[in-house]
Amino acid sequence: QSALTQPASVSGSPGQSITISCTGTGDDVGSYNLVSWYQQHPGKAPKLMIYDVNHRPSGVSNRFSGSKSGNTASLAISGLQAEDEANYYCNSYTASTTVGWVFGGGTKLTVL
Amino acid sequence: EVQLVQSGAEVKKPGESLKISCKGSGYSFTTYWIGWVRQMPGKGLEWMAIINPRDSDTRYSPSFEGQVTISVDKSITVSYLQWSRLKASDTAIYYCARQVSGSEFDVWGQGTMVTVAT
Repeated sequence: QSALTQPASVSGSPGQSITISCTGTGDDVGSYNLVSWYQQHPGKAPKLMIYDVNHRPSGVSNRFSGSKSGNTASLAISGLQAEDEANYYCNSYTASTTVGWVFGGGTKLTVL
Repeated sequence: EVQLVQSGAEVKKPGESLKISCKGSGYSFTTYWIGWVRQMPGKGLEWMAIINPRDSDTRYSPSFEGQVTISVDKSITVSYLQWSRLKASDTAIYYCARQVSGSEFDVWGQGTMVTVAT
């Protein structure tokens, strides 16, 4: 199972909006609405931010949203805040080779 | 409160065996699968394996099949990740996480740091 492809880094100024892409294949992102996104601050455990492509868990700010088109899923963050600076990982169910799940390589978000 | 609490940091030598644990509480343990995720120093997350506490059905990533073994003791609501012969390349933080209906990992343990060095 190959990792999903994410940009290594993105940046934005406070108040701006950014988008992080997550590109997979027809065996994962393209065929299943089982894409989730995780935020990880340094030294901390990952935190679920988006599930099933575009659903927000209770307690997650509505500044975070998810979408999918074809084999690419996206995480959008509006109204950037300093505390949004973190690493973000996408994850998808995959049916390639063996059934399982696969993470993206991660994207470092810098709030300038 | 729903939580997963993992065992403490470990320092081992190459060739040694190791078993780390993840204890679930605050929810019905057999209702949700438990997954394990590796994070090597300075690197990203890697999905390793997952187990159904109800019947111990397991799935492994091809990258980890044969390298580790996951198990569960539902009587004490604990999942385990074990190695029979550690390698230096096993040095990493290992997270357990609760999985919801074949989709997202909604609750994470605090992570267990495993260091393998001579």
